[in-house]
Amino acid sequence: GDSVTQMEGPVTLSEEAFLTINCTYTATGYPSLFWYVQYPGEGLQLLLKATKADDKGSNKGFEATYRKETTSFHLEKGSVQVSDSAVYFCALSGWNSGNTPLVFGKGTRLSVIA
Amino acid sequence: DADVTQTPRNRITKTGKRIMLECSQTKGHDRMYWYRQDPGLGLRLIYYSFDVKDINKGEISDGYSVSRQAQAKFSLSLESAIPNQTALYFCATSDYGRALAEQFFGPGTRLTVL
Repeated sequence: GDSVTQMEGPVTLSEEAFLTINCTYTATGYPSLFWYVQYPGEGLQLLLKATKADDKGSNKGFEATYRKETTSFHLEKGSVQVSDSAVYFCALSGWNSGNTPLVFGKGTRLSVIA
Repeated sequence: DADVTQTPRNRITKTGKRIMLECSQTKGHDRMYWYRQDPGLGLRLIYYSFDVKDINKGEISDGYSVSRQAQAKFSLSLESAIPNQTALYFCATSDYGRALAEQFFGPGTRLTVL
């Protein structure tokens, strides 16, 4: 079945450092890909998304590009802030995205220190 | 007001007790989901419902049951709680027909089974 693998955390960075969180997936067909973020004490919220190969999702300075050839959707940010400290989840929706629930990775905790 | 609400937000109960977690949404979405979150395991799908007459088991449905009382309400029950059901539980919704299948999450219920 479909699955998502993301790098294990925790990741600790200094403010203004460059962030990469790796995410690879296994799926049939052409899934849609997502990054969700969970701030402390809150539920998950969508950060960005991409629906087809070579699409780039972006939001709040974060970016991720849908790479079908490497089945990857790595999250990047050029300069992190303390407020970016959260848990980040990569997720996919299968080829029949109207009829399958999201499949989530295990999450990567990011801590940014001033 | 929040679009997806969960009650209670925190609950401590004893082994063998029956407990119900409730989820309500004002987004008008047809699809609702229940997940549990455990440290290091990410989100795992318990049950999902694509409309009022539709209930589907997820990855980890054993020990749980659900009821879709209305389009806006989806309850999760633990018939006889056990300690390994201690976790953070999230309800989510999504809109039928949206190809991107974005899910919207509630704030979570922290359940402790002693």
